[in-house]
Amino acid sequence: QVQLQESGPGLVKPSETLSLTCALSGGSITSYYWSWFRQPPGKGLEWIGYVYYIETTNYNPSFKSRVAISLDPSKNQFSLKLNSVTAADTAVYYCARHGGPYPYTWFDPWGQGTLVTVSS
Amino acid sequence: SVLTQPPSVSGAPGQGVTISCTGNSSNIGAGFHVHWYQLLPGTAPRLLISANTNRPSGVPDRFSGSKSGTSASLAITGLQAEDEADYHCQSYDSKLSVVVFGGGTKLTVL
Repeated sequence: QVQLQESGPGLVKPSETLSLTCALSGGSITSYYWSWFRQPPGKGLEWIGYVYYIETTNYNPSFKSRVAISLDPSKNQFSLKLNSVTAADTAVYYCARHGGPYPYTWFDPWGQGTLVTVSS
Repeated sequence: SVLTQPPSVSGAPGQGVTISCTGNSSNIGAGFHVHWYQLLPGTAPRLLISANTNRPSGVPDRFSGSKSGTSASLAITGLQAEDEADYHCQSYDSKLSVVVFGGGTKLTVL
């Protein structure tokens, strides 16, 4: 059974870089597309971008200048880096696997999410 | 949010509810599929419906999806207390070139 688990600092200072990792168990990171999402408090879900083995990426234009998603096959995980963060980047961040061909894809499974707060 | 959902719906145990998801000609109306997720605090989002109408294994047949024109709907019959959660629709927008979501609908089981 494929499972995903996000990890990383729960508190990031303004202007610094948010770094999260999504570890995969029960499957291979090289076989699918993988995405990051976030949900700010009281708001809906927002897609950040995806990565496919090894360096194929696609980002939400809203984040394009600040975001990088990478994949590490040796650790069976993929990562998110979002730089120059502000309080508006405070959110629960999720990772998930693509279930179908982009852009018609759904996402399944998901990680349980990790709360990142941007504050000094 | 690009897709519009009602903020909340409610129903008594055993009854049914429908949650709408309204888009436009750049997303749902352009033929892109609609998918539905159930979110509970502290747990992984759960896929309920993929590609408009498909129910993954393990999802009860009380959940069903439909799509028509620029809108889609999630129907839940025989409400149970465990169905109380937030429900989000998802599609793709060709004008924005992004995966898009609705703002989420909170279901309260009375």
